[in-house]
Amino acid sequence: GQNIDQPTEMTATEGAIVQINCTYQTSGFNGLFWYQQHAGEAPTFLSYNVLDGLEEKGRFSSFLSRSKGYSYLLLKELQMKDSASYLCASWGGAAGNKLTFGGGTRVLVKP
Amino acid sequence: DVKVTQSSRYLVKRTGEKVFLECVQDMDHENMFWYRQDPGLGLRLIYFSYDVKMKEKGDIPEGYSVSREKKERFSLILESASTNQTSMYLCASSRAGGNEQFFGPGTRLTVL
Repeated sequence: GQNIDQPTEMTATEGAIVQINCTYQTSGFNGLFWYQQHAGEAPTFLSYNVLDGLEEKGRFSSFLSRSKGYSYLLLKELQMKDSASYLCASWGGAAGNKLTFGGGTRVLVKP
Repeated sequence: DVKVTQSSRYLVKRTGEKVFLECVQDMDHENMFWYRQDPGLGLRLIYFSYDVKMKEKGDIPEGYSVSREKKERFSLILESASTNQTSMYLCASSRAGGNEQFFGPGTRLTVL
């Protein structure tokens, strides 16, 4: 089966760093996605991790530990425009590859 | 740029009505998906399609059907809308063998 857990909401200050954790239990796991979704808009791709370790992409980094079923998204030098929901999604599944999403973490950046 | 479009941003229907939600992608993607998104539950897969005229049930197919007559178009059908189908509906597409999905802007459906 599939189970994805991430915090519901986080608040941080402009310029700070925030880490969004995600734990998953996915049979036939093949990778972990992070998407960003602003209110009323479509989710947009941020990162995809297949191997263990940290992938850095500008102000955003994503980490994966397959043995622990754990990932995090790190947002550095927070900007007001980073206020959005961040969706963790595992790729895989016993019945064939599909995306299974967590409930999303709403990040509020305050001045 | 991949573009996925959905026929309506907002839709209001009455209980028992038949509802069609249309999705079109312009990148010749083989795979197309329909999700619904509800607060606290995240995105849940309703149906997906790997090719024209092919469809597969997702996690919550009950009360829905789909149609894929052309590669670029994937329709979600609510045969008899019910209030518990009030939700945000998101369409996505990806290339064959690919895993990154590109999403449309969503249709917020309200069933009264």
